[in-house]
Amino acid sequence: AQSVAQPEDQVNVAEGNPLTVKCTYSVSGNPYLFWYVQYPNRGLQFLLKYITGDNLVKGSYGFEAEFNKSQTSFHLKKPSALVSDSALYFCAVSPDNYGQNFVFGPGTRLSVLP
Amino acid sequence: DTGVSQNPRHKITKRGQNVTFRCDPISEHNRLYWYRQTLGQGPEFLTYFQNEAQLEKSRLLSDRFSAERPKGSFSTLEIQRTEQGDSAMYLCASSLVGERRPLYGYTFGSGTRLTVV
Repeated sequence: AQSVAQPEDQVNVAEGNPLTVKCTYSVSGNPYLFWYVQYPNRGLQFLLKYITGDNLVKGSYGFEAEFNKSQTSFHLKKPSALVSDSALYFCAVSPDNYGQNFVFGPGTRLSVLP
Repeated sequence: DTGVSQNPRHKITKRGQNVTFRCDPISEHNRLYWYRQTLGQGPEFLTYFQNEAQLEKSRLLSDRFSAERPKGSFSTLEIQRTEQGDSAMYLCASSLVGERRPLYGYTFGSGTRLTVV
């Protein structure tokens, strides 16, 4: 069975500082990993994905994520945080590349302080 | 096409009543998914359709829940005899998946927030 853990409920960071939102996963076979962001009263917006290839994946709004197979991690990063990055972030894993259902982590609330 | 559309945005209902939500996916997308998200949790998979066929249902989808996608376009999710535990955000998503089109992520709608009082 697949599972996703986001060990931090809340991450606080000062504007302009680098941010990291952590994600670890458990899946049999090759992982297909995703990050989504959710703003208040909105649906989830796709940020980036890892399917194969480079372990460092670049996505929308300056975000990137590093896939680490040995640590089964897929941490989300951004070099310089903006106040507008404050939102709920979800890591998700899919068992295949053809759209079987995703398993989402519980989410991490990111607060970027001015 | 402006994305995945869900109606209504909010629904307040009394316990025991039936409710129906609608999802209009991106028009060329062949897959449609329903998820439920409770406060402080990540979305949980309920069911998905490939065209008009319902291919998978989660154990979360009790017999009070039914979903349809009759013409392979919009979908409805009905909850009968609602309970307070059904209060949640119901999210719809769509994607285009095929032999030469691997998954690039879903497009989610803004959700329908259900409150059962």
